[in-house]
Amino acid sequence: DAKTTQPPSMDCAEGRAANLPCNHSTISGNEYVYWYRQIHSQGPQYIIHGLKNNETNEMASLIITEDRKSSTLILPHATLRDTAVYYCIVRVVTGGDYKLSFGAGTTVTVRA
Amino acid sequence: KAGVTQTPRYLIKTRGQQVTLSCSPISGHRSVSWYQQTPGQGLQFLFEYFSETQRNKGNFPGRFSGRQFSNSRSEMNVSTLELGDSALYLCASSPYPFDTEQFFGPGTRLTVL
Repeated sequence: DAKTTQPPSMDCAEGRAANLPCNHSTISGNEYVYWYRQIHSQGPQYIIHGLKNNETNEMASLIITEDRKSSTLILPHATLRDTAVYYCIVRVVTGGDYKLSFGAGTTVTVRA
Repeated sequence: KAGVTQTPRYLIKTRGQQVTLSCSPISGHRSVSWYQQTPGQGLQFLFEYFSETQRNKGNFPGRFSGRQFSNSRSEMNVSTLELGDSALYLCASSPYPFDTEQFFGPGTRLTVL
């Protein structure tokens, strides 16, 4: 199963873009990359996911390298409410079942 | 639409006891997953139920078990509690197994003394 590694923490200035890296060097062809975040005392919240192509939604953008061994979550204009722990998750689907590999998470602190 | 609800929110037990946690998914969601979160191990997948059947299981001992009812509500049971079982137990629901988006509940904080 693919494992993920993330930096333990990072700071970001309010209004600036936050770029969160994730390494998943053992990822294989049918494994999706998901990102969730967890604000203190709440359950995790879905942000975005992708397989090969870059993805964008109202919350963030996901950039996946061509070899798929790493990805970057981009929060285009960070706000104080984006302060949270961000998890990079790899999901593999095999024969209708799946396995999950959670990263340790990156604690993002957005500073005014 | 009501979100995922978990009961109880807080629980204190002693070693050797057993505990049952409950999760009510969002209406119409048939998949329920359980996770354990601790400061040391982070977020770890326990198991997932869909249509009353366990579809996948993480690497936890047999003391951890679960079930799902016909109304998609799920329960998780931990027998012979150990100090290391102290954690935040999160439940997540989706229409289908690990669908595009899982919706998490607020969690049950279990403390084992």
